[in-house]
Amino acid sequence: KNEVEQSPQNLTAQEGEFITINCSYSVGISALHWLQQHPGGGIVSLFMLSSGKKKHGRLIATINIQEKHSSLHITASHPRDSAVYICAVRAGNQFYFGTGTSLTVIP
Amino acid sequence: KAGVTQTPRYLIKTRGQQVTLSCSPISGHRSVSWYQQTPGQGLQFLFEYFSETQRNKGNFPGRFSGRQFSNSRSEMNVSTLELGDSALYLCASSPMAGANVLTFGAGSRLTVL
Repeated sequence: KNEVEQSPQNLTAQEGEFITINCSYSVGISALHWLQQHPGGGIVSLFMLSSGKKKHGRLIATINIQEKHSSLHITASHPRDSAVYICAVRAGNQFYFGTGTSLTVIP
Repeated sequence: KAGVTQTPRYLIKTRGQQVTLSCSPISGHRSVSWYQQTPGQGLQFLFEYFSETQRNKGNFPGRFSGRQFSNSRSEMNVSTLELGDSALYLCASSPMAGANVLTFGAGSRLTVL
């Protein structure tokens, strides 16, 4: 059983669409991260959340600690948003990762 | 300021050999964590170092080891390489232990033949 589950696995959107990626986890956490990985491998940390909601430009991340669920929203999606988005949680001394959501935004 | 630097970026080894990968954190960051990424298993946590001490360790065999130096630079070593060790190895640095603010390096891509 995976400690972190993401959905959907793959997502194709038209430019300008509103996108939501979901993450559910089964362990008690101290923090949840949303990561972005472009082809070639480099990973960028988008958000670190322990409660509530954060916004950075067109990206919004929310977390519901009681429901053990987080969402990453992208407003007005753009082809440069095409990447793999990975949810990661820190639980005690361990880090657990989702399998990632591959997003393709078509012009 | 410079980001997280990983060397080498690419390397090819054969089964049974050993490999050492290096990670230089952002200046002032004292915590370094290591991760393995494979197509089959995705990202997995290897270990975390802070102030030259291993703080946390993931579920990997003893062939995987690491260390951190007084300047916060870290190395990881994999001995007796297996085909399944082929992966992208990523490190991330953070100001303090707990790794709640992560800056990743570009990774070292290891191929084991």
